[in-house]
Amino acid sequence: DIQMTQSPSSVSASVGDRVAITCRASQDISSWLAWYQQKPGKAPKLLISAASTLQGGVPSRFSGSGSGTDFTLTISSLQPEDFATYYCQQANTFPITFGQGTRLEIK
Amino acid sequence: DVQLLESGGGLVQPGESLRLSCAASGFTFSSYSMYWVRQAPGKGLEWVSVIASGGNGIYYADSVKGRFIIARDNSKNTLYLQMSSLRAEDTAVYYCAKEGVINYHYGIDVWGQGTTVTVS
Repeated sequence: DIQMTQSPSSVSASVGDRVAITCRASQDISSWLAWYQQKPGKAPKLLISAASTLQGGVPSRFSGSGSGTDFTLTISSLQPEDFATYYCQQANTFPITFGQGTRLEIK
Repeated sequence: DVQLLESGGGLVQPGESLRLSCAASGFTFSSYSMYWVRQAPGKGLEWVSVIASGGNGIYYADSVKGRFIIARDNSKNTLYLQMSSLRAEDTAVYYCAKEGVINYHYGIDVWGQGTTVTVS
């Protein structure tokens, strides 16, 4: 199985900050990487697919990059509604696997 | 609106069985692979199972293989998860979810609200 490792596990930041979350796959997954946002008590929401394709309705302050084994989710200017937990997921092969999550907290 | 609505969760004892259902609407259900993904209390996301659009391709996580069965009824736009020999570690919120707009490479683009299964 492909292991997905996110870093950091948690991060504190302020409104307006730029934040980057990284995700590393244990083997090459090409660009088949998705990012999700999850708020407490809610289902995950797909933000980015295929490493860098922003989903409809997702603000442009979110961006994704990377290929192979190393990927990054960047939020250019944090807004209050962005404080949540973020997960990466490899979509290259089954079993699909998720990173352990990164909790983004307000400083 | 595209919607997935799970039902069937509840409290069961170890070793018992439970069947989850997921009613889909707002999209052509029969055209997409469907997933079950679970989340234990305070933990991350764990993929459980997937079934191809026509019901022919099925995969399970090792943690549930031999105990859970995924199925779908395209005439009823409904996805199922039959869970047997339940264990305490199966306690989680179970999400029904739809593959991305093109195929599974594009992530999971629609999620239900989740149904809670407690094994105790």
